[in-house]
Amino acid sequence: AQSVTQLGSHVSVSEGALVLLRCNYSSSVPPYLFWYVQYPNQGLQLLLKYTSAATLVKGINGFEAEFKKSETSFHLTKPSAHMSDAAEYFCAVSDYNQGGKLIFGQGTELSVKP
Amino acid sequence: DTAVSQTPKYLVTQMGNDKSIKCEQNLGHDTMYWYKQDSKKFLKIMFSYNNKELIINETVPNRFSPKSPDKAHLNLHINSLELGDSAVYFCASSQSYGYTFGSGTRLTVV
Repeated sequence: AQSVTQLGSHVSVSEGALVLLRCNYSSSVPPYLFWYVQYPNQGLQLLLKYTSAATLVKGINGFEAEFKKSETSFHLTKPSAHMSDAAEYFCAVSDYNQGGKLIFGQGTELSVKP
Repeated sequence: DTAVSQTPKYLVTQMGNDKSIKCEQNLGHDTMYWYKQDSKKFLKIMFSYNNKELIINETVPNRFSPKSPDKAHLNLHINSLELGDSAVYFCASSQSYGYTFGSGTRLTVV
């Protein structure tokens, strides 16, 4: 069965610092991987997705993620954090053997200090 | 136009009541889902329908009954509500690994 693990339930960075949110996946087949952001009391917004094309995926709001098969990782990065980046971030894998459902990691809360 | 719309946005009800949450998508997607987000923000799939046919039922209590009258609609009916049902429920639709989520329904059982 496919799964994802997000390392660190809470990450705190200073404004202007590098953002690194970690995600490792487990999959017996080439995965489709996603990062979503959830702002307080809002729904899920897609940041980016990997669907077996380029391994470096660029998303919205300056975020990007790199698929590394050898490390089974799909870490999310942003060179310079903004206060508006404070939110909950979810990594997810699509299980296309089971109706294409998304399996989510536990989430990482990003705090940005001024 | 909202792509995936859920109603109501907030729902406060007493234990033992029956309630429904409605979901509609105007994206023409074939597959729709219900997810539950608990108090720790963990997101878990509950149900999935493809063209009105149930394809995923993830060990959800029988008190939860999804209904899909057509492929644009997926409603969730909950009988005999319990305190533990308090959560945010998200509807989503997908086509070719493009997933779109609704804004969620915050259910509070008192």
